[in-house]
Amino acid sequence: ILNVEQSPQSLHVQEGDSTNFTCSFPSSNFYALHWYRWETAKSPEALFVMTLNGDEKKKGRISATLNTKEGYSYLYIKGSQPEDSATYLCAPRMDSSYKLIFGSGTRLLVRP
Amino acid sequence: DTGVSQNPRHKITKRGQNVTFRCDPISEHNRLYWYRQTLGQGPEFLTYFQNEAQLEKSRLLSDRFSAERPKGSFSTLEIQRTEQGDSAMYLCASSGTGYSNQPQHFGDGTRLSIL
Repeated sequence: ILNVEQSPQSLHVQEGDSTNFTCSFPSSNFYALHWYRWETAKSPEALFVMTLNGDEKKKGRISATLNTKEGYSYLYIKGSQPEDSATYLCAPRMDSSYKLIFGSGTRLLVRP
Repeated sequence: DTGVSQNPRHKITKRGQNVTFRCDPISEHNRLYWYRQTLGQGPEFLTYFQNEAQLEKSRLLSDRFSAERPKGSFSTLEIQRTEQGDSAMYLCASSGTGYSNQPQHFGDGTRLSIL
């Protein structure tokens, strides 16, 4: 069973704070890493798909980096807003399978 | 693009009953996935279709679960003789062809509660 770890499990920050989360995954047979944001009562929203070691992606105030050699990715949120409150999930795709293996997520709450 | 549609949104049933869920993917997507999510966990892969062919199925999946995708369009997931442990959110996702690392687009899910 492949182990995908996300930390922290939950995070409470004040509006305006910047924050970051970690996703670690097995580095062998790596194909791609997906990041999702999942707000309550909505469907998971795709944020990034990253494939190459050293990849950096950015979408507004959210950015992500990827290290495939050591098996980790960071997600950064600059100047958190209450609407950023959600669960952030990472999911690597390993070997040739199209299935995603999700971590348990980081639950972010941004207080106004 | 109307997104991935799942029906019903909620299903409450008694233990031992059969249930069926439906997923309509984004129209031009040929890959369709089913996942299950329980409280405090991330989605867990169940099965995946490319067009009408079921290409992968989780080894953890009980024989009581079956999925179909006739004609490569919508898909159904059936659970026979439901058990308490089947209570979960069942998520469907779809993705297109082209480059191999496209994001999977999820529906809102079907929440199953077993009494």
